[in-house]
Amino acid sequence: AQRVTQPEKLLSVFKGAPVELKCNYSYSGSPELFWYVQYSRQRLQLLLRHISRESIKGFTADLNKGETSFHLKKPFAQEEDSAMYYCALFTDRGSTLGRLYFGRGTQLTVWP
Amino acid sequence: DTAVSQTPKYLVTQMGNDKSIKCEQNLGHDTMYWYKQDSKKFLKIMFSYNNKELIINETVPNRFSPKSPDKAHLNLHINSLELGDSAVYFCASSQTQGDQPQHFGDGTRLSIL
Repeated sequence: AQRVTQPEKLLSVFKGAPVELKCNYSYSGSPELFWYVQYSRQRLQLLLRHISRESIKGFTADLNKGETSFHLKKPFAQEEDSAMYYCALFTDRGSTLGRLYFGRGTQLTVWP
Repeated sequence: DTAVSQTPKYLVTQMGNDKSIKCEQNLGHDTMYWYKQDSKKFLKIMFSYNNKELIINETVPNRFSPKSPDKAHLNLHINSLELGDSAVYFCASSQTQGDQPQHFGDGTRLSIL
């Protein structure tokens, strides 16, 4: 069965420190992974997707199929990075059954 | 020019009442979704519609009835509200079914007294 696990509910770091938000998934097909972010009082929005392999706001994430992981990393955290981060797995692309499965989210707090 | 808009933002009502949440998207997308975010911030899909047709119904009680009058609107009607229905409900849309990314609305916080 499909599953997305974010082991850390809360994560706190100081400004300038590296940050890594962990995400592991379980899916028998070809996975598509995403990170969504929800800043305080704002809507959920896409941060990045594994197929684009880009860096957004200094964040990167690499899909590791061997470890079934898609950890989100940033070398130097900023206060404005404080938000709730959701890892999401998309299954069945191109099918009417295609859907997003979300992890439980990690609340990141960056202290000054 | 909000892409996905939901109304109302807040809804406080008593158990047993019937209420509706409206959603509209101006992105020209074919597919719309409803998600429920519980008190622990867990986000789970409830329904998806593609061109007004129900595609996904994720074991949601039949007290919840989505309605899509056209592909730009997906409303959610809830009958006989229960305490466990208290949550934040998010509407989202995507270009087509089986496509990403999804664009989310601001959410509707439903509180049952």
